[in-house]
Amino acid sequence: QISLKESGPTLVKPTQTLTLTCTFSGFSLTSPGEGVGWIRQPPGEALEWLAVIYWDDKKVYSPSLKSRLTVTKDTSKNQVVLRMTNMDPVDTATYYCAHDYGESTGYYGLDVWGQGTTVAVSS
Amino acid sequence: QSVLTQSPSASGTPGQRVSISCSGSSSNVGLNYIYWYQQLPGTAPKLLIYRNDKRPSGVPDRFSGSKSGTSASLAISGLRSEDEADYYCAAWDDSLSAYVFGTGTKVTVL
Repeated sequence: QISLKESGPTLVKPTQTLTLTCTFSGFSLTSPGEGVGWIRQPPGEALEWLAVIYWDDKKVYSPSLKSRLTVTKDTSKNQVVLRMTNMDPVDTATYYCAHDYGESTGYYGLDVWGQGTTVAVSS
Repeated sequence: QSVLTQSPSASGTPGQRVSISCSGSSSNVGLNYIYWYQQLPGTAPKLLIYRNDKRPSGVPDRFSGSKSGTSASLAISGLRSEDEADYYCAAWDDSLSAYVFGTGTKVTVL
């Protein structure tokens, strides 16, 4: 059974760097096709995809946030870390990580999500 | 702003059929698989439909997805009170080289 859980600060100051950790179980990021994605949702707004990292260390970032995002994995700890630099109040949102899986015929969607972690950006 | 456009709201009475549309372009909906997510109030999104019309295990067959050209639809038949939620379409966009979500549709059960 796959599960994921996000952790990190609930409050960051403008210009600071946000570091979020996704700790997962039930799959391994060393297995072909496996991936972990990051998505955020500002209060009352729609979902926004941020990034994904795959088993082979392939990383894809949202073009609009690419310069501010870094995603890494630690397979020994079953963790994925998202870093977002230069935080601004508009980055206030609930941040989710989710399991992704794909093969040569395509992807199966973000099929299991963490509960989300709320991050506020304020001085 | 999102490149996938959804109507902001939809509603129906219990037992009715409700349809939600998702409009995109040739670089996303027209070219790649569509996914649908359900977000119940105060909870994380849940995958409802993958690869245009496939249901994950545990998703009732009241939910169905379809795609034609650059548009896609999610239909909910036999509407139930527990279906009241926000629904999002999503797809990979080849031009952006990114996964994109729709603007979201709030379904209300009257």
